[in-house]
Amino acid sequence: GAGVSQSPRYKVAKRGQDVALRCDPISGHVSLFWYQQALGQGPEFLTYFQNEAQLDKSGLPSDRFFAERPEGSVSTLKIQRTQQEDSAVYLCASSYQGSNQPQHFGDGTRLSIL
Amino acid sequence: EDQVTQSPEALRLQEGESSSLNCSYTVSGLRGLFWYRQDPGKGPEFLFTLYSAGEEKEKERLKATLTKKESFLHITAPKPEDSATYLCAVPVGARQLTFGSGTQLTVLP
Repeated sequence: GAGVSQSPRYKVAKRGQDVALRCDPISGHVSLFWYQQALGQGPEFLTYFQNEAQLDKSGLPSDRFFAERPEGSVSTLKIQRTQQEDSAVYLCASSYQGSNQPQHFGDGTRLSIL
Repeated sequence: EDQVTQSPEALRLQEGESSSLNCSYTVSGLRGLFWYRQDPGKGPEFLFTLYSAGEEKEKERLKATLTKKESFLHITAPKPEDSATYLCAVPVGARQLTFGSGTQLTVLP
């Protein structure tokens, strides 16, 4: 398919474990975004990449959150020492360039921390 | 502070009963407003971008309009398959989107 692909779709982890969430953007899309969505709320911005450069990480809630996009394509969001408040849906979006272009979203990873 | 507020939070309509969803925003230097549809368990699906006051866009039973302070998503003669959460968002700074909390629309047959 030509859409944004995220894996896994569901992840259950025990508190304190590390998790890694993967995003495969639309081919050719320069910009990649990560969002966190709580139940009944709109997505909230976490971080932004332009190609391999992480240009904005102001939305990452703590230094336990880390994102990378080493070759300017696939991105990984890593959460270390997970806590219950990290439970949410993590959405990845990509766009051709910048935030003025429509962002196209994957179906997200639902993370549950026990 | 840049804010996006959507109303109502939830809306139940009978099939064929037209209505409008509201998105109000306080952003300095608006550089576009986006409407998305989100189904349960899915990511937001892009619907429209509006860039200037007075602009309108249509897709099937949906029409989006924009003023200097708010946007409306008009739904004409809705069908049950239009049931979803509708989100609006504006770009903040140079990159990220700020989303409203959404309107959960239910269309009853």
